[in-house]
Amino acid sequence: GDSVTQMEGPVTLSEEAFLTINCTYTATGYPSLFWYVQYPGEGLQLLLKATKADDKGSNKGFEATYRKETTSFHLEKGSVQVSDSAVYFCALTPSSGSARQLTFGSGTQLTVLP
Amino acid sequence: SQTIHQWPATLVQPVGSPLSLECTVEGTSNPNLYWYRQAAGRGLQLLFYSVGIGQISSEVPQNLSASRPQDRQFILSSKKLLLSDSGFYLCAWSVLSDTQYFGPGTRLTVL
Repeated sequence: GDSVTQMEGPVTLSEEAFLTINCTYTATGYPSLFWYVQYPGEGLQLLLKATKADDKGSNKGFEATYRKETTSFHLEKGSVQVSDSAVYFCALTPSSGSARQLTFGSGTQLTVLP
Repeated sequence: SQTIHQWPATLVQPVGSPLSLECTVEGTSNPNLYWYRQAAGRGLQLLFYSVGIGQISSEVPQNLSASRPQDRQFILSSKKLLLSDSGFYLCAWSVLSDTQYFGPGTRLTVL
């Protein structure tokens, strides 16, 4: 079945540091790929997505590129802020199906220190 | 624009008591609806999904059940709660595209 593997956390960075959270996946065909963010005590918010190979999703300074050849969708940000502290989830949905179920990674806790 | 509501936001229940969590979506029609559970410090587990009124698919056998009495209403229930039912319950919706949008969640503590 489909699966998503994220780098283990927690990750602690200083403000303005460069962020990379690795995500690799296993799926047939061309799944859609997502990054969601969860702030403490809240639900998940869609951060960015990509639906085909070589697509780059971007939002709020975060970027991720759909790499079919390496089955990866790594999340990057050039300069993190304290407000970016949250849990980040990589996820995928299959390329077909009436209710495309999300398969999540285990999440990566990010803490940004001032 | 579409919005999704969940209530209650927080719930503390004794073991063996019943449960009813509600999720409603506004601003869209015929959404796919989903219930997820997030245990403390762990990832998300899909519990149920629905592609239409009265149509429920269960992903994990357990003492929970789901119902969809109206197009934009999704209810999660239990007749008798277990300690292991504690967690953060999230409802989500999607339409046409594969992108799911999540509600604010309900934090359930079973004592």
